[in-house]
Amino acid sequence: EVPLVESGGNLVKPGGSLRLSCAASGFSFSKYNMNWVRQAPGKGLEWVSSITSSGTYLYYADSVKGRFTISRDNANNSLYLQMNSLRAEDTAVYYCTRGENEYAYWGQGTLVTVSS
Amino acid sequence: DIQMTQSPSSLSASAGDRVTITCRASQSISIFLNWYQQKPGKAPKLLIYAASTLQSGVPSRFSGRGSGTDFTLTISSLQPEDFATYYCQQSYSNFKTFGQGTTVEIK
Repeated sequence: EVPLVESGGNLVKPGGSLRLSCAASGFSFSKYNMNWVRQAPGKGLEWVSSITSSGTYLYYADSVKGRFTISRDNANNSLYLQMNSLRAEDTAVYYCTRGENEYAYWGQGTLVTVSS
Repeated sequence: DIQMTQSPSSLSASAGDRVTITCRASQSISIFLNWYQQKPGKAPKLLIYAASTLQSGVPSRFSGRGSGTDFTLTISSLQPEDFATYYCQQSYSNFKTFGQGTTVEIK
């Protein structure tokens, strides 16, 4: 197994900010692209953002572009998602995943609730 | 962005049935198509990648076919543990969209 452990999920008011973290272990973190995928309650999977192994290239879904920022710290085997200007529709479980094409490894998810 | 459309959205089947789920891409994605299984409260699990390659540890009753825009996931003989929701995902683009999911329920 390849442990990926997300943290940082919480209840936040609309317009607020939150930073999610994903701690990786058991593999050479700096060699892999990493991603965030979310799932709203009772809904399907939505790809959110990806970052290349070196952090050079960043990709975002249109629904979060300009509000979310993906980053990584290869020295500390960590992936981050800075979420600003949060909306009710951002309420979801956020998963950290590993991979460039297929996502073979997933964390357990962290719940973000945006509500007043 | 590339849109992925799965059909049906849900289906009812019995253990032992052969089940096929279809996924269609809004443009050609070659064989850059993955299938995932998700059970309630759990993270998704990769079943098949590159349209037809079985992920290590996945039972051989799962198979995938297709290229271009049309793809299928087939479960040859449904087992009790296969009742779940299945998602396709395209990895052709840097913006890796998922299908809306197909829920396989017990008849």
